[in-house]
Amino acid sequence: QQQVKQSPQSLIVQKGGISIINCAYENTAFDYFPWYQQFPGKGPALLIAIRPDVSEKKEGRFTISFNKSAKQFSLHIMDSQPGDSATYFCAASKPGNLNDYKLSFGAGTTVTVRA
Amino acid sequence: GAGVSQTPSNKVTEKGKYVELRCDPISGHTALYWYRQSLGQGPEFLIYFQGTGAADDSGLPNDRFFAVRPEGSVSTLKIQRTERGDSAVYLCASSLAGNADTQYFGPGTRLTVL
Repeated sequence: QQQVKQSPQSLIVQKGGISIINCAYENTAFDYFPWYQQFPGKGPALLIAIRPDVSEKKEGRFTISFNKSAKQFSLHIMDSQPGDSATYFCAASKPGNLNDYKLSFGAGTTVTVRA
Repeated sequence: GAGVSQTPSNKVTEKGKYVELRCDPISGHTALYWYRQSLGQGPEFLIYFQGTGAADDSGLPNDRFFAVRPEGSVSTLKIQRTERGDSAVYLCASSLAGNADTQYFGPGTRLTVL
């Protein structure tokens, strides 16, 4: 049972455009929502993360928007560049009894930025 | 500094064989996680170590899978009697005890069971 649903599966954007990826979750105990970027043959790398006490977080060209009541969050990539072409995963987690944070991932979105 | 390293990068084995996959976490990271990523999917949690003990192994699919971390650093994921369905990329991640939510992933081991 997938705890985090991600869409779209893939998207193509022109250089300089905006990429938007959406995720939805059901478990209201989740309190940490990271986004990971993965290039072929590499492990996922943490891009940006948010906690539910804020509705938006921006780091450079990457912005997370968070809607707690709707249980949805999204990643916006502004001024998309060819080097942004990768697979993006949203994830969610909650602290376990031993301060662990096992992540539940979405299925991923492959972003292609056309020059 | 050095990141999380995993060896081998690729492993091809035959159905029924035993395999070991190694993870070397970032120095000083006490928390270590194993995930499995099937083709076209996001990683799925397998097991979590805090120090030497397996604190949460709820994600292991069955008793053919086992992992150890005897000295609280390097971890080995062991798969017995491999099946074709075990083919996937096995990812390891580590984090600091005081910053448990930020996990750093290794490049993974791609396991192919023929």
